[in-house]
Amino acid sequence: NAGVTQTPKFQVLKTGQSMTLQCAQDMNHNSMYWYRQDPGMGLRLIYYSASEGTTDKGEVPNGYNVSRLNKREFSLRLESAAPSQTSVYFCASSELLAGSTDTQYFGPGTRLTVL
Amino acid sequence: QKEVEQNSGPLSVPEGAIASLNCTYSDRGSQSFFWYRQYSGKSPELIMFIYSNGDKEDGRFTAQLNKASQYVSLLIRDSQPSDSATYLCAVNLNDMRFGAGTRLTVKP
Repeated sequence: NAGVTQTPKFQVLKTGQSMTLQCAQDMNHNSMYWYRQDPGMGLRLIYYSASEGTTDKGEVPNGYNVSRLNKREFSLRLESAAPSQTSVYFCASSELLAGSTDTQYFGPGTRLTVL
Repeated sequence: QKEVEQNSGPLSVPEGAIASLNCTYSDRGSQSFFWYRQYSGKSPELIMFIYSNGDKEDGRFTAQLNKASQYVSLLIRDSQPSDSATYLCAVNLNDMRFGAGTRLTVKP
């Protein structure tokens, strides 16, 4: 039982390049999330998926797209990377959409640098 | 005003002391509140959640919630060097909003 896995762990991009961050969970959770974490800013929600087939914008969605490929997998795509997207990206999953006492489980993170 | 505010620290306490971490939030409609611990270079992990006014205890950890004053706190009793980490407060309304975290150092 790996929990939440993310690939890659590290990535360096040049401005304008595109890439997809992959996330998978094996806990049969319904909901999945993408966050970015910047120094002094805490975790900020980019997009989430309450259930398979649905996605919604979070606090900072501009410059990103997501795909909920199936119940296990939720990918984050940067179409044209910008230096402002340099950050640590965390994927998380939970049994239900975050609310009440639902617990989110986080992946190990992807450290992205955009030059 | 940030939705969830925490003192960034660092907060330094001696081993065996009580560490007190505080968090305030702006949205009165917030229903549930979480404390996560994050070691340097690692992902956040849940310590505990609380959704009713008052105290909730789990081992050495106690979460306190006061909805009227819009604050949540986390007390760590008998602090250990292994408790040295950044503690994130999170508040849920329609989605999860996190504070920037308080860095705690427990000195042997």
